[in-house]
Amino acid sequence: GNSVTQMEGPVTLSEEAFLTINCTYTATGYPSLFWYVQYPGEGLQLLLKATKADDKGSNKGFEATYRKETTSFHLEKGSVQVSDSAVYFCALSENTGRRALTFGSGTRLQVQP
Amino acid sequence: DTEVTQTPKHLVMGMTNKKSLKCEQHMGHRAMYWYKQKAKKPPELMFVYSYEKLSINESVPSRFSPECPNSSLLNLHLHALQPEDSALYLCASSQEPGSPLHFGNGTRLTVT
Repeated sequence: GNSVTQMEGPVTLSEEAFLTINCTYTATGYPSLFWYVQYPGEGLQLLLKATKADDKGSNKGFEATYRKETTSFHLEKGSVQVSDSAVYFCALSENTGRRALTFGSGTRLQVQP
Repeated sequence: DTEVTQTPKHLVMGMTNKKSLKCEQHMGHRAMYWYKQKAKKPPELMFVYSYEKLSINESVPSRFSPECPNSSLLNLHLHALQPEDSALYLCASSQEPGSPLHFGNGTRLTVT
């Protein structure tokens, strides 16, 4: 079956630090990959996505590249802000069949001023 | 502001009560979802409606009963819940099954 593995949190960084949150996946087919962000007291918001190998998703300074050879989709940002503090979920969706999202366990990011 | 609206925001109910959670979207999306999220955990899929038909039921207990009256509305009827059912219930929609999901802000349910 499908699965997504994320690095354990919390990740605590100072403002303007470089961020990497690791994500690897296992899938039987060729999935689409996503990063979702959940701010306190809210639902999840789509942050970025990639639908095929070597695609790079980007939004709000965040980037992630779909690496088929390493089955990874690591999230990066060059300079984090306090407002980036949230929980980040990596997820995949098969492009055929069931097409339901499989989420990773989530990584809490805390950015300190 | 989220484009998927969930009501109520908070709900406290006893184990003998019957209540309903409501979800609405006006983006023309044809797939709608219910997820359950416990604290510090990822969302767990409960139900998927595709073109107003139930397409996925993740072996959810019958005390949870979904309903999709039309393409914009999704309900979750609750009856005889247990305290362990206390969680954040998230509704989501997508243009098609497999498209990116748009989530509501959820209903925080407490079962006493």
